[in-house]
Amino acid sequence: GESVGLHLPTLSVQEGDNSIINCAYSNSASDYFIWYKQESGKGPQFIIDIRSNMDKRQGQRVTVLLNKTVKHLSLQIAATQPGDSAVYFCAEKIWSGNTGKLIFGQGTTLQVKP
Amino acid sequence: DSGVTQTPKHLITATGQRVTLRCSPRSGDLSVYWYQQSLDQGLQFLIQYYNGEERAKGNILERFSAQQFPDLHSELNLSSLELGDSALYFCASSPRQGSNTGELFFGEGSRLTVL
Repeated sequence: GESVGLHLPTLSVQEGDNSIINCAYSNSASDYFIWYKQESGKGPQFIIDIRSNMDKRQGQRVTVLLNKTVKHLSLQIAATQPGDSAVYFCAEKIWSGNTGKLIFGQGTTLQVKP
Repeated sequence: DSGVTQTPKHLITATGQRVTLRCSPRSGDLSVYWYQQSLDQGLQFLIQYYNGEERAKGNILERFSAQQFPDLHSELNLSSLELGDSALYFCASSPRQGSNTGELFFGEGSRLTVL
């Protein structure tokens, strides 16, 4: 079915520590996954993506890991900064013909303590 | 600034009323998506248009409708409003329907409050 879930609603970390946000998905046919960041009062903003033929992808201070065996996705943020405080959504892309539909999870709130 | 413009930013109306939310996609983007964000529901996909044609439907109520015009802007019409329709409504755009990237560019949303 179309369901993407986050393991924890809120994650609180100390500034400078690494953060790990987890996500479980249920649609084994999904071949593309994305992490979005939503700051207060703004729309979601793309962070990083990964295709199902990969298990790891790195960006600037962020790494996404994909474990297709257990249908698990994680976002790692290195040296977390106050500006990283936001709600993080994982999303999976479900294809119907040549039309892709992004299904979002509920979101995890990341709080960075100074 | 994502380049996606949504109006109005805030809207307060009464139950039973009808409202129209407007979205201008990024210059050159052909696909427009509408999402609803409620406190307890996360981001729910409503509908997608590509170059004026409906391409995908999600959890969109029959009381809601949308369209994309020749100039590519889109409108989401919400009618017979109920208290539960209070939410943030986001529009997003992407370059093309078959894009292999998931990068959607979101507007800042229209906050609808139904009293």
